[in-house]
Amino acid sequence: DVKVTQSSRYLVKRTGEKVFLECVQDMDHENMFWYRQDPGLGLRLIYFSYDVKMKEKGDIPEGYSVSREKKERFSLILESASTNQTSMYLCASSPDSYNEQFFGPGTRLTVL
Amino acid sequence: GQQLNQSPQSMFIQEGEDVSMNCTSSSIFNTWLWYKQDPGEGPVLLIALYKAGELTSNGRLTAQFGITRKDSFLNISASIPSDVGIYFCAGVYNFNKFYFGSGTKLNVKP
Repeated sequence: DVKVTQSSRYLVKRTGEKVFLECVQDMDHENMFWYRQDPGLGLRLIYFSYDVKMKEKGDIPEGYSVSREKKERFSLILESASTNQTSMYLCASSPDSYNEQFFGPGTRLTVL
Repeated sequence: GQQLNQSPQSMFIQEGEDVSMNCTSSSIFNTWLWYKQDPGEGPVLLIALYKAGELTSNGRLTAQFGITRKDSFLNISASIPSDVGIYFCAGVYNFNKFYFGSGTKLNVKP
């Protein structure tokens, strides 16, 4: 079974703090993704990575950066958290060999 | 970005009823996926469809990949309370081009 884990289920941070969200997958997938999910807006892609040290911007990259130093780990960084970044953050991974994407349990981030 | 139109947005049904939801797009996809998301959790993959016209079942769930490759539907038969959640479709071009519908929120009354 594919397993995608995220470092925290719930996180509360203050405006201006630097925030790290970690995601790890155990299936040797090449591709990893970060989404945010907000009511009425569905899933919006922030960044994705198709290989170690490779990254591409998604639809809403502003205010975020990512890091992929190892194949199994993809980190999302909020350089200076703001209240409008309060959201549910979902990490996902997919292999090159077939078109299926597997999600982690999500991190609900609140920025005060 | 690419738009997937998923309908209905929400449904309120009685336990035991059948449910149908669908996704349409103006673009062609190579794969259609259906996910379920429980409150406070990440989406879980229910069914993957790879071929136009393909009809696939997973227990009480049945999904079809439209012949035009621009749509897909999901049916749930004999709904039960644990079917409650949000169901998402996703259209896929290739391994890194996934487009998601806005979700169908299903409520089941016991």
